[in-house]
Amino acid sequence: EPEVTQTPSHQVTQMGQEVILRCVPISNHLYFYWYRQILGQKVEFLVSFYNNEISEKSEIFDDQFSVERPDGSNFTLKIRSTKLEDSAMYFCASTQLQETQYFGPGTRLLVL
Amino acid sequence: GNSVTQMEGPVTLSEEAFLTINCTYTATGYPSLFWYVQYPGEGLQLLLKATKADDKGSNKGFEATYRKETTSFHLEKGSVQVSDSAVYFCALITKTSYDKVIFGPGTSLSVIP
Repeated sequence: EPEVTQTPSHQVTQMGQEVILRCVPISNHLYFYWYRQILGQKVEFLVSFYNNEISEKSEIFDDQFSVERPDGSNFTLKIRSTKLEDSAMYFCASTQLQETQYFGPGTRLLVL
Repeated sequence: GNSVTQMEGPVTLSEEAFLTINCTYTATGYPSLFWYVQYPGEGLQLLLKATKADDKGSNKGFEATYRKETTSFHLEKGSVQVSDSAVYFCALITKTSYDKVIFGPGTSLSVIP
């Protein structure tokens, strides 16, 4: 069964450094998403992406964040200058028909 | 706004016990409802879903019925196993805001032998 994949599974970085989290959505899906889950807290929506542009973003998704679909398969989330509070699990999701979203296994980001 | 409320737990049950995790929602329009499960150290997996009132979603022995009159989508399983230990998230998506899944806070379940 096709699934969403994410790399790396874990990332440790120093505050102020840039990180890029990578996702490979399910191949025939058209809508892509990033969510995050701070340890012990709720899963929160960050951004949605369709037709090579952002369709919606949350208040969390400020100028430090960007997303890109650089080729036909990858979908990336970049954090330009990481802060301690960016430490979280980041989930990528995709869907074909804007209903059931399928999530990847997540990238656990730790900012020191 | 749209939101999901669920019992937060933790819930601890003995193997073969009956499980209920309550979930209620507030939404504009008629949302689609989901249960996602997160096993220790893993990502979010879709467990089951229901897209309209009175629909019953089921998978791996789990069931949930979309109750519009009580705005609820309670998760049930007749006989839990140790391998069901996980965090369970109730969630919704609305047809006026396809772009984001709204999650409840999650309910941690531990099943002991």
